[in-house]
Amino acid sequence: DGGITQSPKYLFRKEGQNVTLSCEQNLNHDAMYWYRQDPGQGLRLIYYSQIVNDFQKGDIAEGYSVSREKKESFPLTVTSAQKNPTAFYLCASSTTGGITNQPQHFGDGTRLSIL
Amino acid sequence: GESVGLHLPTLSVQEGDNSIINCAYSNSASDYFIWYKQESGKGPQFIIDIRSNMDKRQGQRVTVLLNKTVKHLSLQIAATQPGDSAVYFCAFKGSNYQLIWGAGTKLIIKP
Repeated sequence: DGGITQSPKYLFRKEGQNVTLSCEQNLNHDAMYWYRQDPGQGLRLIYYSQIVNDFQKGDIAEGYSVSREKKESFPLTVTSAQKNPTAFYLCASSTTGGITNQPQHFGDGTRLSIL
Repeated sequence: GESVGLHLPTLSVQEGDNSIINCAYSNSASDYFIWYKQESGKGPQFIIDIRSNMDKRQGQRVTVLLNKTVKHLSLQIAATQPGDSAVYFCAFKGSNYQLIWGAGTKLIIKP
């Protein structure tokens, strides 16, 4: 079954701790994305990657970091510099990125809370 | 900055009636628009998209209308069913080629 898998479903962060959210896709998509969703708001782009070993900052990249060493994997690290990390984090992928018009497909998210 | 407006936080419709959800977008140069459905605790699910060279596109029980003159996008759901209960998001492609999202409309189905 092709899709996007995010883990864990729930995650708790202690003060001063970095945590890493996993995102894996088996759709053979080139582009991958990380979004943050807060209650009553639309999705906000954190980072995106259009190809392996390349990624760009989105609108709210401060306090976050990513890597794209493999086509199928795009982990997100929420660092201690992110002072308000409590949110629902969504990973997505699309066939291609950038100027092409392709829908993004989403995983079922990770809910991060502060202990 | 670029944004999505005309946000109605909640829409209640009778089961069996048609639902219409509206969005207004800020970038007249955008060439791609998309609708998603999000159920509680899940990721957004792609419903339908439309490119700027079209005014209307139909899917199964859904229709998207694009009015470029007034920068307005709408999603019509025919014969609304209980399973249609969700939050619906519109998005458009911004000047940096990434999607700009609206705040979502919660669709409530009355029995």
